[in-house]
Order: sequence, then C-alpha cells, then structure tokens
Amino acid sequence: QITLKESGPTLVKPTQTLTLTCTFSGFSFSTSGLGVGWIRQPPGKALEWLSLIWWDDDKRYSPSLKSRLTIAKDTSKNQVVLTLTNMGPVDTATYYCAHFRGGWYSYWGQGALVTVSS
Amino acid sequence: EIVMTQSPATLSVSPGDRATLSCRASQSVSSNLAWYQQKPGQAPRLLIYGASTRATGIPARFSGSGSGTEFTLTISSLQSEDFAVYYCQQYKNWPPVTFGQGTRLEIK
Repeated sequence: QITLKESGPTLVKPTQTLTLTCTFSGFSFSTSGLGVGWIRQPPGKALEWLSLIWWDDDKRYSPSLKSRLTIAKDTSKNQVVLTLTNMGPVDTATYYCAHFRGGWYSYWGQGALVTVSS
Repeated sequence: EIVMTQSPATLSVSPGDRATLSCRASQSVSSNLAWYQQKPGQAPRLLIYGASTRATGIPARFSGSGSGTEFTLTISSLQSEDFAVYYCQQYKNWPPVTFGQGTRLEIK
C-alpha cells in the first residue's frame, strides 16, 4: 500500500523560508522511472505544479518559481524535502506531495495547509 | 507552457444523468492527459491517464476520450459521490506539468 504524508509548519512569516517534508511508504527510489512531486493549491483555486525529483536524483522545477525552489531526497528515510524561499501571502496554499510515474500522479498525500502571515 | 482550459467552470446535472466535461490544450499533447477528481477537504484522486485509461479501482461509469488538443471526461450515470471538482493535467511537454482550472460538478 502506497502512502505519502506531508509535514511542516502551518504558519510562516513573510520573507521566511518554507521547508516541507514528504514521508512515504509502499515504494522506494530504487524503482526506475519513479518520481515524487509537489503540487500546491491556494484556497478555492486550482492546482499548481511546483517540482519533481526522479529516482536518479534528476530534478525539475516550475519555471515561474525555479529561483525560489529546492527539492531533495533522502532515500534511506523515504523522504523528499521541498524548500521555498522568500514566502509571501500568495504562497498561502495546501501543499501536496504525490507519487509520479508515467506522467501522472497516482497517489497523493493528504496535503499540508501553509499560511503566510505576520 | 501548455495552457489547459476546462469548460464549463460549473456544470449542474441531476443524479442518474450523464455529465460531459471538456478540457482543451493550447497545443497538442497527444494522449498525454490525465483527469483527477477532488472532493472538499481531500487530495485529488487519479481517474484517467493516457486520455482514456481508467486508473485502478475507478468505476466504469467514468470514461475519457480525445487526443491532440480536445479531451472529454464523461460520467455516464451520476452518483451522489461523483459531485466534486474535476481537473485535467497534461504531461506531454514539461516542466511545467500544467493543470486546468477545474470544473465543478454540482447537483441540479
């Protein structure tokens, strides 16, 4: 059974850096072609893709956020970490991590709501 | 960046009726399209990938069709649990993966 879960702060101040951790089970990065991605959703709005890390440590970022995003994996812990610098109110959203293979996201975490406010 | 446009924004349908949701890509994505269902307070759930292949456990009343730039998600006989927001997603040219803005399917 594949599960993913996001963890991190629920509240961050403007200009701070957000660090979110995705802890997963039921699969591993030893599987070729597999990735873990991050997608966010502002309240009442659509999904926005952020980043993906592949099993071989290749990384992809949203062009509009590339300068602020970093993704990394810890294979031994089955974790993926996303950092987003210089947070602002527009970054308030539910952040999801998800299992990626073939181009689509088959399994999603429950999401983590992050609010940016002073 | 490929822009995905869904229509209508809101669709009102009676239980038992058929619902047809549309998704258009700004350029061809071949069959590299997925559909997701999202209920309030929940994560999206994968319904369809490859434009027409149902994901594991998805009921047969859900079907996807189309290729290139025009796609359709059809729900043949709406059940109460089908009322939700539906998103399409292309994975032909990325980054970025792009999603549509969603169609809200509501009870008429």
